[in-house]
Amino acid sequence: EVRLVESGGGLVQPGGSLRLSCGVSGFFFSDYYIDWVRRAPGKGLEWVARSRHKAKGYSTAYAASVKGRFSVSRDDSRNSVNLQMNSLKTEDSAMYYCARTDRTMHKDFDFWGQGTLVTVS
Amino acid sequence: QSVLTQPPSASGTPGQRVTISCSGSSSNIGTKTVNWYQQLPGTAPKLVIYSNNMRPSGVPDRFSASKSGTSASLAISGLRSEDEAEYYCAAWDDSLSGMVFGGGTKLTVL
Repeated sequence: EVRLVESGGGLVQPGGSLRLSCGVSGFFFSDYYIDWVRRAPGKGLEWVARSRHKAKGYSTAYAASVKGRFSVSRDDSRNSVNLQMNSLKTEDSAMYYCARTDRTMHKDFDFWGQGTLVTVS
Repeated sequence: QSVLTQPPSASGTPGQRVTISCSGSSSNIGTKTVNWYQQLPGTAPKLVIYSNNMRPSGVPDRFSASKSGTSASLAISGLRSEDEAEYYCAAWDDSLSGMVFGGGTKLTVL
């Protein structure tokens, strides 16, 4: 069974930092990208960041709204991806989801975690 | 303001067919594949269409989608109460070098 589980959310003051983690199981982690997507209260879905696999040089991509403040990293040995969030703003408050992407099948975000809530206040 | 444009709401009665549009540009829908997601209240989104018109395993064939030029659409036929949810389109955008979503369409089953 494919599973993604986020952790690390919580309450943080503006300007503070938080580190989210996404642990995965049930599939060969090294074959997939892992993305972070968020949904702020009263708003729609917003893509945040992408962690590509070894075949793509572990490259990353970020939304303009978080570039320079957020950093994504992956650990293939632990089947996990981390999202380091610095200089947090109130507008970063949202439910954060990690999701699997299979680019060979053009399946972006085919499995999602349950989300972890980040509140910046 | 979302890069992809969707109507904020749509509605239909049980058994009806409804369509949801998604308008983009040459840097996203025009050259990239489109995915559609369903989000029920209080739950994580779920992929219902990938690669413009493909259904993942387990998604009923009442869900279909198409793409033409810089626009895409999702159709749900034989509408059921459990289809009441928010629906989002998404695609990679080469100009932004990132994934972009539509603003979401809230589907109400009357």
